Amino acid sequence: AQTVTQSQPEMSVQEAETVTLSCTYDTSENNYYLFWYKQPPSRQMILVIRQEAYKQQNATENRFSVNFQKAAKSFSLKISDSQLGDTAMYFCAFMKHANNNDMRFGAGTRLTVKP
Amino acid sequence: GAVVSQHPSWVICKSGTSVKIECRSLDFQATTMFWYRQFPKKSLMLMATSNEGSKATYEQGVEKDKFLINHASLTLSTLTVTSAHPEDSSFYICSARKQTINNEQFFGPGTRLTVL
Repeated sequence: AQTVTQSQPEMSVQEAETVTLSCTYDTSENNYYLFWYKQPPSRQMILVIRQEAYKQQNATENRFSVNFQKAAKSFSLKISDSQLGDTAMYFCAFMKHANNNDMRFGAGTRLTVKP
Repeated sequence: GAVVSQHPSWVICKSGTSVKIECRSLDFQATTMFWYRQFPKKSLMLMATSNEGSKATYEQGVEKDKFLINHASLTLSTLTVTSAHPEDSSFYICSARKQTINNEQFFGPGTRLTVL
């Protein structure tokens, strides 16, 4: 079974600063996907960024980037130039690269961006 | 686009009654949908995988007779909480898998269930 661990229940960062959220996972699969989702107070799950395990290059989406270390099974999210609207719960998720694949989530990190 | 809707967005019911929650993929077909449950300040826990035209696959510890899932069409899956009790109060989220090369999943906005 796959497990996803987020060891930081809460984090805070000053507006315009950079913050890194940690995520580790455990799997015996070689091919899979990793995701970071944002859940604001509205509770709508919003995809922030995704990474395919077979791609060595770290994914980036504007101010969001990941540090994917496959051997270490680590997948951290870096948010640059933090904005007040980044305040939310952030979930790391794992999905096998197969049919009927379901998504497994970490416990989440509550990020607060302070003005 | 890929939009998933849920109805209702919130519902309050009396203990012992049944509640049906709908999950619809509005602009794509979804052979597979997933139902999650989220307690306050907690993560999403997968309850079951819903496959169009076949029985749902339930996660360990989830009562299939309690949480009835029907995926009758390629755009609709329903979750019925039968004989609801206060401990069933939670936030229920569905996601629908779009058949692309990446098998992307798209989440609904969730349904808040309160059982009195």
